[in-house]
Amino acid sequence: AQSVTQLDSQVPVFEEAPVELRCNYSSSVSVYLFWYVQYPNQGLQLLLKYLSGSTLVKGINGFEAEFNKSQTSFHLRKPSVHISDTAEYFCAVSEQGGSEKLVFGKGTKLTVNP
Amino acid sequence: KAGVTQTPRYLIKTRGQQVTLSCSPISGHRSVSWYQQTPGQGLQFLFEYFSETQRNKGNFPGRFSGRQFSNSRSEMNVSTLELGDSALYLCASAMDSTSYEQYFGPGTRLTVT
Repeated sequence: AQSVTQLDSQVPVFEEAPVELRCNYSSSVSVYLFWYVQYPNQGLQLLLKYLSGSTLVKGINGFEAEFNKSQTSFHLRKPSVHISDTAEYFCAVSEQGGSEKLVFGKGTKLTVNP
Repeated sequence: KAGVTQTPRYLIKTRGQQVTLSCSPISGHRSVSWYQQTPGQGLQFLFEYFSETQRNKGNFPGRFSGRQFSNSRSEMNVSTLELGDSALYLCASAMDSTSYEQYFGPGTRLTVT
């Protein structure tokens, strides 16, 4: 079984500041890793995913994440945030070679203040 | 290409009733998954269907069921509704069973009174 821990439930930052949203996972098998974003009253949108290859993954809207196998982490970063980045961010894993089932963390609410 | 559509978007039901939610995946997508989102439990996997077969099931009681049709559209049913079933129900579609890139619909907000 897999589990995902998002270490911060809320992260407030000022506009144009850098941000890091932390994610750690636990699994007895190899996993794929994902970050999703959810804007108010909307579904989830895929930001980026790690399946294999380079451990630094670039996604949409200027976000990137780094897979660290030894620390079982997949932290999300953005060098300069905008007001429009205010949303809830979810880290998720799925079992390699398994089904499409995603196991999600509890989410981190990012609030970007002017 | 149209995205994942879910109907209805909002629903109010009374405890003890049953409800059916519908999901139309992106054209060409054959895998459909359902998730329940609540403030307390977060996002939890309900089930996944691929080519009309249930491939995986989450840890929910038997009151929660689903099915997928030959055109890949999917429905989920909740019988004997309880107050705790109030949630946002999200549907996600993927090209096939190994694409690992799911596209989510806007969800159906179910309120049980």
